[in-house]
Parts: sequence; structure tokens; C-alpha cells
Amino acid sequence: EIVMTQSPATLSVSPGERATLSCRASQSVSSSLAWYQQKPGQAPSLLIYGASTRATGIPARFSGSGSGTEFTLTISSLQSEDFAVYYCQQYNNWPPLTFGGGTKVEIK
Amino acid sequence: EVQLVESGGGLVQPGRSLRLSCAASGFTFSSYSMSWVRLAPGRGLEWVSYISSSGDTTFYADSVRGRFTFSRDNAKNSLYLQMNSLRDEDTAVYYCARKAIPFDYWGQGTLVTVSS
Repeated sequence: EIVMTQSPATLSVSPGERATLSCRASQSVSSSLAWYQQKPGQAPSLLIYGASTRATGIPARFSGSGSGTEFTLTISSLQSEDFAVYYCQQYNNWPPLTFGGGTKVEIK
Repeated sequence: EVQLVESGGGLVQPGRSLRLSCAASGFTFSSYSMSWVRLAPGRGLEWVSYISSSGDTTFYADSVRGRFTFSRDNAKNSLYLQMNSLRDEDTAVYYCARKAIPFDYWGQGTLVTVSS
């Protein structure tokens, strides 16, 4: 099973600032990596797939990078609606499909 | 518009059974694989199970294999998760999601609470 590790667990950022979230895989997942956003009481929503491709309707301030075992989600200028929990997920080697533990982006 | 609506959650005692459903609309249901993913209190997302578009292939997480059964009815655009021998640690919000690589649409979830 591929273990996904996200850091930090919590990220405190001021509106308008840049946020950088990390995701590490225990073995290479190539570019088979997705990012999801989840707000309290809501379903998760797909942000990024293929490590760097934005899903339909996702603003350009969200960008993904990386391949192999190291990945990054960057939010260039945080908006109020971006404060949420973010999860990475690998789909290169499954089952099982595995998620990281999540990074909570909170208002500083 | 793609819609996924889960139902069937509730409070159940350990060892008992529960059946979740997911009604799909807004897309050609029979062309897509589907999954269940859960979010337990204080924990992150956990993939539970996958079913192919035809229903002839299923996969399960180790934590539920042998207790949960995932099925679909393409004529009714519906998914079913039969959960038997429920444990406290199965308490979670259960989401149905379209596809698996990646999950591109999610339902709003249904809460399952396992407690005596």
C-alpha cells in the first residue's frame, strides 16, 4: 500500500498570501496524483488531477506540481473561500486508493 | 448536471447491518465506475470500495473486506453498499463518488453512526 503523507497538518495564512501544501508518497506514483478541497459540512471537490491539471472551473490561483514522490499544491493568493481542508490522493498503484491525512488551511 | 444523492445512513448497534444507497443523475451512469469514500470523525478521507461500470469488478479496503458488499443497478442508476457486522470504527460520513481515478464528482454524504 502506498502511504501518502501531507505537511503541515495545519497552515495559518492571511488572506491574500500564498499557501504551499506538500504531499509525499512512500513510493513513486508518477503523476497519478489528485488534490481535493473539503469545506466543513460539504463534500470534497476535485481541484487538481494528473499532479498539475486543474479540474473544470477551478481558478488559476490553484496550481499543482511535482512527480514521483514529491508534490505541491500552491494557492497563489488566498481568498476567504479557500480556507478548508486539502487532501492529496494517489491513483497510480491500487487498490487501495490512498489519501493523505489532510492539511487544514486556516485564517491567520 | 451531475448529481449523486446518498441515503440510508443512521444509528445502528455494533454487529448489525445497514444498507446505503446512492442515486445518480445527469450523466450516463452505466459508463462510469463508482466508489464509496468515508470521512470518520477526527480523521481523513478513506477509500472504502470501487465498482466497475458493468458491476463485474469490485475492490475493497482491507478494513471492510468480507463485511461490506458494493453493487449497482444500471437500470435504476443506483449504487448500494451493504454493510454487515458493523463496528464502532465504521462510524463516518459515507460519500459516493464518480470514477476513482480521480473522483470527479461527489455526493453530499450520509452519516452512519455505530454505537450501542
